[in-house]
Amino acid sequence: KQEVTQIPAALSVPEGENLVLNCSFTDSAIYNLQWFRQDPGKGLTSLLLIQSSQREQTSGRLNASLDKSSGRSTLYIAASQPGDSATYLCAVRTDNNNDMRFGAGTRLTVKP
Amino acid sequence: DGGITQSPKYLFRKEGQNVTLSCEQNLNHDAMYWYRQDPGQGLRLIYYSQIVNDFQKGDIAEGYSVSREKKESFPLTVTSAQKNPTAFYLCASSTGRGTEAFFGQGTRLTVV
Repeated sequence: KQEVTQIPAALSVPEGENLVLNCSFTDSAIYNLQWFRQDPGKGLTSLLLIQSSQREQTSGRLNASLDKSSGRSTLYIAASQPGDSATYLCAVRTDNNNDMRFGAGTRLTVKP
Repeated sequence: DGGITQSPKYLFRKEGQNVTLSCEQNLNHDAMYWYRQDPGQGLRLIYYSQIVNDFQKGDIAEGYSVSREKKESFPLTVTSAQKNPTAFYLCASSTGRGTEAFFGQGTRLTVV
């Protein structure tokens, strides 16, 4: 069974800092990996989707990488802003099923 | 606007009652999902459906039921057999296995 872990559980940084969020998974036979953002009491907003054949995806200040063989993905946020404060979740879709397995998330706080 | 609509936003259930959470999408997506989110935990899959009139149990299906009579709709019923239903419920959809998933804004269910 696929297990997804996100470290750290919480992170607090000053505004302007570059930061990296980590996601690891136990079964490397994945179909794709998706990063989401969740604001308190809200649904999930899709940030980036990386297919298993890709190494990275970029959108604005966000860059996500994927190393399938080592079971790891990172989300890099450049020049962080207070508006980036939210919980970031990664989800993995395996080859055999159409369901997504989620990590518990990293709660990010960017201080002005 | 295209998207996923969950209703109601807040729902209160008395002991022994069944309640139904609505999820509607106008994205023409084939696959739809129901997740449960508890504080400090990742999302856990309740049920998912890849096509109309077909659905599969997720990890925590006990005490829940679903139907998929229309492509646009995937309602979730929380039955009286679910002993701890207080949680945040999220509905999602995607076109297929390799594609981006989109989420609704969630329904917060509380037992009173």
